[in-house]
Amino acid sequence: AQKVTQAQTEISVVEKEDVTLDCVYETRDTTYYLFWYKQPPSGELVFLIRRNSFDEQNEISGRYSWNFQKSTSSFNFTITASQVVDSAVYFCALSDRNSGGYQKVTFGTGTKLQVIP
Amino acid sequence: ETGVTQTPRHLVMGMTNKKSLKCEQHLGHNAMYWYKQSAKKPLELMFVYNFKEQTENNSVPSRFSPECPNSSHLFLHLHTLQPEDSALYLCASSQGQQTNYGYTFGSGTRLTVV
Repeated sequence: AQKVTQAQTEISVVEKEDVTLDCVYETRDTTYYLFWYKQPPSGELVFLIRRNSFDEQNEISGRYSWNFQKSTSSFNFTITASQVVDSAVYFCALSDRNSGGYQKVTFGTGTKLQVIP
Repeated sequence: ETGVTQTPRHLVMGMTNKKSLKCEQHLGHNAMYWYKQSAKKPLELMFVYNFKEQTENNSVPSRFSPECPNSSHLFLHLHTLQPEDSALYLCASSQGQQTNYGYTFGSGTRLTVV
């Protein structure tokens, strides 16, 4: 069964500190996709990154970076030099196929990040 | 503006009321989804529509009734709800249900059942 675990419920950091949000997943599929979404107080989930299971290269986008480790089934997200605008709930998600062949997306419970000025 | 518009943003309704949530996207996507987000719980998938056809009903009570008249519009009709149905209801769309390009979410409707 698919499962996404975000063990950190809430994290508080002081502005300009680096912070890593953990994500561990479970799937039986060999082909799957992993995502991170950001949910600011306004409510919508904003797509941040998509990574497929065959691409283990780490990715950097500005202050954001992602570390995909297939061996440990982890897809961690690091924010460098955090800013107050980074305060939000961050969700990790896994997409693979259900028994009907359709895409099934499983979300973690989210990590609430508070960046203190 | 994310490309997926949900109305209303907030809704308070009594347990005997009937109301509808609306979701609209003009991204050219063919799959649309309803999710429920309750406090301290993972996002729960409720319904999936692919090319206007319902492809998934995740054991949702019949007091929630979806409608998808075309690929751009999705409704969630509500009647005789319970207080535990209070939550943020999120609509999302994607290029198709058999693709993996991620979802575009709306801002949600914050529903309170009194």
